[in-house]
Amino acid sequence: NAGVTQTPKFRVLKTGQSMTLLCAQDMNHEYMYWYRQDPGMGLRLIHYSVGEGTTAKGEVPDGYNVSRLKKQNFLLGLESAAPSQTSVYFCATRRDRLTDTQYFGPGTRLTVL
Amino acid sequence: AQSVTQLDSQVPVFEEAPVELRCNYSSSVSVYLFWYVQYPNQGLQLLLKYLSGSTLVESINGFEAEFNKSQTSFHLRKPSVHISDTAEYFCAVRFFGNEKLTFGTGTRLTIIP
Repeated sequence: NAGVTQTPKFRVLKTGQSMTLLCAQDMNHEYMYWYRQDPGMGLRLIHYSVGEGTTAKGEVPDGYNVSRLKKQNFLLGLESAAPSQTSVYFCATRRDRLTDTQYFGPGTRLTVL
Repeated sequence: AQSVTQLDSQVPVFEEAPVELRCNYSSSVSVYLFWYVQYPNQGLQLLLKYLSGSTLVESINGFEAEFNKSQTSFHLRKPSVHISDTAEYFCAVRFFGNEKLTFGTGTRLTIIP
């Protein structure tokens, strides 16, 4: 069981470039989340999904898009990267609405120059 | 407004000394409370949680937290810390009726040998 994996682990982008972060899980969990972690700000929710084919906005969705075409994958896209998007991005999963524990991936460190 | 506050951004403690990490929340609805731990260069892991029942909850590695409804607090304590407890600790709240977790800004616990 790999649990929650994130690809890539590190990435450096130039302003204006685009990229997609992949979160994959093998636990058959319904819910998936994308967070960003910045010093002194804790984790902030970007987007989340309560099931295959669904997505919803979190606290800081601007500049990001997501897709959940398959239950096991949750993609986070940056169409035109900005320096303000330099951060560590974490994906998390949750089994279903009857449970509360979230399981986190190892993170992706993104730098936008 | 619904929010969660961790007042201490950094807490240095001598090895084998006790520690308390503070967490307060603001809510007009019922809450579910969590402490997550992030070891260096890793994702977050659930440490303990309060959903209902006994207000004192314990983790397998000696931490405990007590839900105090009148004080709207969920402080994390350990009677004797070890070097391996060095990590960042996040308090998180799920407000009743909401599918999302709201995280505090984190407390970095540093153990002094």
